[in-house]
Amino acid sequence: EAGVTQSPTHLIKTRGQQATLRCSPISGHTSVYWYQQALGLGLQFLLWYDEGEERNRGNFPPRFSGRQFPNYSSELNVNALELEDSALYLCASSLVAQAYGYTFGSGTRLTVV
Amino acid sequence: DQQVKQNSPSLSVQEGRISILNCDYTNSMFDYFLWYKKYPAEGPTFLISISSIKDKNEDGRFTVFLNKSAKHLSLHIVPSQPGDSAVYFCAASVGNAGNMLTFGGGTRLMVKP
Repeated sequence: EAGVTQSPTHLIKTRGQQATLRCSPISGHTSVYWYQQALGLGLQFLLWYDEGEERNRGNFPPRFSGRQFPNYSSELNVNALELEDSALYLCASSLVAQAYGYTFGSGTRLTVV
Repeated sequence: DQQVKQNSPSLSVQEGRISILNCDYTNSMFDYFLWYKKYPAEGPTFLISISSIKDKNEDGRFTVFLNKSAKHLSLHIVPSQPGDSAVYFCAASVGNAGNMLTFGGGTRLMVKP
């Protein structure tokens, strides 16, 4: 069974640009979660999608947005990039009824210069 | 407002000894708790979980203890092995059905040979 896959692995952008990060969940998983891990910090919740709908979002500005496609894959878009957006962005998927939490991908390392 | 806190950013333990990682939470609605382990350049992987109806759950060398009155949980690793060296995150949720997880800031465990 393929795990959660994220692309690209690394992304370098200039301040003010837009970044698009992609996530493919485990087959059959309908929920996708996005987390940000900035250097030296824990995992900060960004967004939760389930069945194509945004279910919840964390305390991030509106320039962080995303969507979930009919095949349950997901995109995270970050507009007007700032230097402090440099972080590891982790995607996770789960079954709504899953009792053991999420399965995470390996993340996308976004560097804003 | 950090609802899940890991107050020790790092812990160093000798191989073969016990490692005890601690976690505190403030939200009394949390009723499901998990520990994740994260190696560099990888996504977090699920380690062990506990429901609030229990006060202990054991899986091999790993045991999680929950003290609901103190809003405190701990992860015990016995005996510790060098391969256990990683960052450990505790997480909490309301319910265990794939709901949003709130993570602590992580504790870096170093097990010395």
